[in-house]
Amino acid sequence: GAVVSQHPSRVICKSGTSVKIECRSLDFQATTMFWYRQFPKQSLMLMATSNEGSKATYEQGVEKDKFLINHASLTLSTLTVTSAHPEDSSFYICSAAGGTTDTQYFGPGTRLTVL
Amino acid sequence: TQLLEQSPQFLSIQEGENLTVYCNSSSVFSSLQWYRQEPGEGPVLLVTVVTGGEVKKLKRLTFQFGDARKDSSLHITAAQPGDTGLYLCAGLVPGGKLIFGQGTELSVKP
Repeated sequence: GAVVSQHPSRVICKSGTSVKIECRSLDFQATTMFWYRQFPKQSLMLMATSNEGSKATYEQGVEKDKFLINHASLTLSTLTVTSAHPEDSSFYICSAAGGTTDTQYFGPGTRLTVL
Repeated sequence: TQLLEQSPQFLSIQEGENLTVYCNSSSVFSSLQWYRQEPGEGPVLLVTVVTGGEVKKLKRLTFQFGDARKDSSLHITAAQPGDTGLYLCAGLVPGGKLIFGQGTELSVKP
């Protein structure tokens, strides 16, 4: 199957700082990328959908000014958590879809801990 | 808003037992997917069911899609400790988005 990578795999930051998470599709062109958040023992919650070259579409309740998403190329999308606070600590997962199928390929996730 | 109700949320069984996980919705999905997720990793796709009434088998795992494409089940026969993990169902909605169920945390004890 297709390969999606995320970087970093885990990050610890101080409250008030910003953190950037990268999501890359390694062997296919991802026209659409999705960002999810997952709290411990819970399921994945979709945060936003991004299409290459256009603005991301955020799900209800997700602050677009806090979670900045950029999908500048067909292989890279970034999620920046601005002015992070401890309640932003979570497991962030991206997925990528491309071509004629709706199949999403998931990245390995990024564990964010805000102190 | 389309929702997927997944049950049970937690399941602890002995090796060799059978189990069934259910996903139910009042909405119709064009397809439904089942994933397994290990701690600290992304979810891994197990199967996609598309046609109402469809049954797919993956070794000891049997997946069913309801006739009306609103519900699905995952049945594991003779569970093994290696089956331990978080099982997630997800329905595909217009726009290519996936709506996830709450997940089932399965623990199989030797």
